[in-house]
Amino acid sequence: AAGVIQSPRHLIKEKRETATLKCYPIPRHDTVYWYQQGPGQDPQFLISFYEKMQSDKGSIPDRFSAQQFSDYHSELNMSSLELGDSALYFCASSLSGRAYEQYFGPGTRLTVT
Amino acid sequence: DQQVKQNSPSLSVQEGRISILNCDYTNSMFDYFLWYKKYPAEGPTFLISISSIKDKNEDGRFTVFLNKSAKHLSLHIVPSQPGDSAVYFCAASVYSGGGADGLTFGKGTHLIIQP
Repeated sequence: AAGVIQSPRHLIKEKRETATLKCYPIPRHDTVYWYQQGPGQDPQFLISFYEKMQSDKGSIPDRFSAQQFSDYHSELNMSSLELGDSALYFCASSLSGRAYEQYFGPGTRLTVT
Repeated sequence: DQQVKQNSPSLSVQEGRISILNCDYTNSMFDYFLWYKKYPAEGPTFLISISSIKDKNEDGRFTVFLNKSAKHLSLHIVPSQPGDSAVYFCAASVYSGGGADGLTFGKGTHLIIQP
């Protein structure tokens, strides 16, 4: 079965650079969620989108922004990167109204040097 | 303040026996709870969820029990298999009406199935 696709899988950036992470949800899923998992930490919810509109917002820094496009894929834009942004970034998707059944992608490992 | 707590960092169980993973929460507003399994370098894999209006949900070898009065839930895996060795995350969320609620995770329990 098709799963959530995230690209790139690995990304190395320097401080103060920008990064863009992409997420392609499972076919027919119209809701996308972004999570950040630091080393040894549990995943922290950043933001979610349904039908291209922001739906729920967690602990997303002001330096980060995200959007969902008409084909339901989503992009997380990160600017002025800091060392502390180094983490695994997961995207999850679900059918609308079924946030109790979120399916995660493999993650993008971002390293900021 | 950790709203979802998994107090056992690790658990070792013999193959074929029952694995019981526990989770406590502090936010009485949580509407549903989920369990995920995670292997290193992979994303969390959805296992099972339960609504706060239920006290049990079952799917194959996995059963989740919810005790709202105690703010406690548990995941039972019967029988335990070697492939079950992974980190298990408990997660919860409040239904906001928007239908895309973010999850609050516990810190995970590393389950080790011994042959």
